[in-house]
Amino acid sequence: AQSVAQPEDQVNVAEGNPLTVKCTYSVSGNPYLFWYVQYPNRGLQFLLKYITGDNLVKGSYGFEAEFNKSQTSFHLKKPSALVSDSALYFCAVRDPNSGGYQKVTFGTGTKLQVIP
Amino acid sequence: DGGITQSPKYLFRKEGQNVTLSCEQNLNHDAMYWYRQDPGQGLRLIYYSQIVNDFQKGDIAEGYSVSREKKESFPLTVTSAQKNPTAFYLCASYSSGTSGTGELFFGEGSRLTVL
Repeated sequence: AQSVAQPEDQVNVAEGNPLTVKCTYSVSGNPYLFWYVQYPNRGLQFLLKYITGDNLVKGSYGFEAEFNKSQTSFHLKKPSALVSDSALYFCAVRDPNSGGYQKVTFGTGTKLQVIP
Repeated sequence: DGGITQSPKYLFRKEGQNVTLSCEQNLNHDAMYWYRQDPGQGLRLIYYSQIVNDFQKGDIAEGYSVSREKKESFPLTVTSAQKNPTAFYLCASYSSGTSGTGELFFGEGSRLTVL
């Protein structure tokens, strides 16, 4: 069974500092990995994904994520945080080898608070 | 613009009443999903549909029902059998033609409160 862990319920960072939101996963084969962001009382918005290739993936709003197969991690990063980045972030995984319906499993979310 | 429309945004219901949440998409996606979001629990899959007139139970289908009569529409009914229906409900769609590499597209959600 596939799973995703986001070990931090909340991350606080000062505006202008780099930020990291952690994600680790477990799947039987090579994973498809995704990051989404959710603002209060809104739906989830897609940020970026890793399918194959370069381990460093760049996405929307200056975010990037690094895929590390040996550590089964897919941490979300941004070099300089903005107050407007404050939101709830979800990591998700899909196992392409699961056949038929490829279920997407979400982590429990990490609340990012950027302090002015 | 293409997207997913959920309605209503907020809904209040008395115990024992059924309620139907609407989800409409104009993205021409084959697959549609309903998720439930509770604080600290992430997203849990209620039902999904990969094609018209076909749908499957997700992880927490008890107390819910769906239909998929049109490609564009995937309404969710929260029945009186659902023991704890107060939650934020999210509808999503997916282009299955991407062979699993595509991302989910989400609606803006419906917040259901049972009084």
